[in-house]
Amino acid sequence: SAVISQKPSRDICQRGTSLTIQCQVDSQVTMMFWYRQQPGQSLTLIATANQGSEATYESGFVIDKFPISRPNLTFSTLTVSNMSPEDSSIYLCSVEGEGAFQEQYFGPGTRLTVT
Amino acid sequence: QKEVEQDPGPLSVPEGAIVSLNCTYSNSAFQYFMWYRQYSRKGPELLMYTYSSGNKEDGRFTAQVDKSSKYISLFIRDSQPSDSATYLCAMGDAGNMLTFGGGTRLMVKP
Repeated sequence: SAVISQKPSRDICQRGTSLTIQCQVDSQVTMMFWYRQQPGQSLTLIATANQGSEATYESGFVIDKFPISRPNLTFSTLTVSNMSPEDSSIYLCSVEGEGAFQEQYFGPGTRLTVT
Repeated sequence: QKEVEQDPGPLSVPEGAIVSLNCTYSNSAFQYFMWYRQYSRKGPELLMYTYSSGNKEDGRFTAQVDKSSKYISLFIRDSQPSDSATYLCAMGDAGNMLTFGGGTRLMVKP
């Protein structure tokens, strides 16, 4: 399976600021996914990012709030813009596996606290 | 009603016990079924995945799928304190997205 790293691992940010989270994969992958996991909750998909095309956002998530870049097949960024305390969460990136079972492999996550 | 239901627990068992974790789902389009383990402050780790109904075994872990009942299970034999984590089921249809259960927190006491 792919090895996925995220930066930063955690951050504490002021209300109204923005944070960019980086996701790096050790192999080329077509699809990358960004999730949010709020405290004690399960994973909610924010968007799917394919290289060379605009990200596809899920209901309730918009590009102005969560702009995503996917400049190549091993890297993606998610920006959390104009943050409020409600954005405090763990943000996870994942990549599709090589099998035919739609399995995904996750990074370690970025723990964001907005004060 | 959520598409995937999972008892949040916590489930507390003594070391060596057999653990049964379960999910039910409502979407008959789901074809792929996965179990993830998530330790505190870590990302989810893929444990097992399967496509068809029936059982799949990997070491101490057995994944069971019953599509007719829309019910999946993960069994852990000879549970260890290191198995203490949150277990998430996940399901996919013909698209590329996964739908996750809410997770069950498991505690294995020495």
